[in-house]
Amino acid sequence: DAGVTQSPTHLIKTRGQHVTLRCSPISGHKSVSWYQQVLGQGPQFIFQYYEKEERGRGNFPDRFSARQFPNYSSELNVNALLLGDSALYLCASSLYAPGFTEAFFGQGTRLTVV
Amino acid sequence: AQSVTQLGSHVSVSEGALVLLRCNYSSSVPPYLFWYVQYPNQGLQLLLKYTSAATLVKGINGFEAEFKKSETSFHLTKPSAHMSDAAEYFCAVSAGGTSGSARQLTFGSGTQLTVLP
Repeated sequence: DAGVTQSPTHLIKTRGQHVTLRCSPISGHKSVSWYQQVLGQGPQFIFQYYEKEERGRGNFPDRFSARQFPNYSSELNVNALLLGDSALYLCASSLYAPGFTEAFFGQGTRLTVV
Repeated sequence: AQSVTQLGSHVSVSEGALVLLRCNYSSSVPPYLFWYVQYPNQGLQLLLKYTSAATLVKGINGFEAEFKKSETSFHLTKPSAHMSDAAEYFCAVSAGGTSGSARQLTFGSGTQLTVLP
């Protein structure tokens, strides 16, 4: 079974540009979450989506947005890139059900803003 | 609100020695607690989890952790370190309960484990 897949694996952007990162969850998982991991720090929660609706949002500016598609894949968009947006962006998929559900992480997209 | 503090950003142990990585948490509701491992250029892999059942939790690769409510701690241990254990380890907390929306993870800043030959 395929795990969580993210694309691209690496990319370099210039300050002020826009970027779109993509995530495909594990088959059968209907929830996708996004995390930002700056070098030397732990991941920080950005968004959670379920059934195409935002179910949670972290403390990130409005330059960050996301959406989920009918096939449960997701996109994270970042506008007006800043140097500080350079990070590893992780996608996690999970079932969305009462009680505990484990989050499975992809290998991430390494974004470098120059 | 919830938070995690990992004491020691870098820990070095000799191969065969005890591994102890420290994690303290703060949560306004009964928490779920997790330890993840991250190898270079990879995502996060779940080592073990506490979800309000047994307080001593056993995970993969010989790791275990004990939930101590009185100390608000969830330290990770392994009796004998192996070279392949060298990686970064993250402790995380999420709010418990029945709502799927309460599933966002709050991570600590991580502990880099070095295993010396």
